[in-house]
Amino acid sequence: GENVEQHPSTLSVQEGDSAVIKCTYSDSASNYFPWYKQELGKRPQLIIDIRSNVGEKKDQRIAVTLNKTAKHFSLHITETQPEDSAVYFCAATLNTGFQKLVFGTGTRLLVSP
Amino acid sequence: GAGVSQSPSNKVTEKGKDVELRCDPISGHTALYWYRQSLGQGLEFLIYFQGNSAPDKSGLPSDRFSAERTGGSVSTLTIQRTQQEDSAVYLCASGTPGGDTQYFGPGTRLTVL
Repeated sequence: GENVEQHPSTLSVQEGDSAVIKCTYSDSASNYFPWYKQELGKRPQLIIDIRSNVGEKKDQRIAVTLNKTAKHFSLHITETQPEDSAVYFCAATLNTGFQKLVFGTGTRLLVSP
Repeated sequence: GAGVSQSPSNKVTEKGKDVELRCDPISGHTALYWYRQSLGQGLEFLIYFQGNSAPDKSGLPSDRFSAERTGGSVSTLTIQRTQQEDSAVYLCASGTPGGDTQYFGPGTRLTVL
């Protein structure tokens, strides 16, 4: 079945720096790759997603890139702010027809002022 | 509009007791998912409902876990003879017909003493 690996597990940056989180997936049939942000004690919130027919997508300070050949995708956050501190999860669809998402293990991002 | 809601928000039970967790999806969402998130861990898929199709139960960890969805809306996750290792946050998510995006509820924190 699908397996999603996520790195790093923790990431500390200074305010204003960029942060990059990387994920790899195993099922070449996967076609949808969302990123979720989960603040402490809160529910996961979708922040950006990408489908397999595009290579890059941007939304203000957040961007996601997808390399289908290498089966990896990355989240890029520029000009980080303390409120970006949270756990970020990547996910990929297991294309069984049910669009079941398989999640990575999460990256704890800490942005220091 | 209203988001996904779950009840109770917290549940403390004794080992061996049965528990029921409830999820109210967003109105009109035909897809409904249950996940389990242990402390500091990622999201573990449990079960998926899509419309009137047979549910995908492939993530249920044991036969003590079951779920139903009545009338295509509200879902109940039941854990029988709870064990301490069942302690976790149980998250429900719903999605639109034919859509990929999953919208999460606030979760139920289950503690088994």
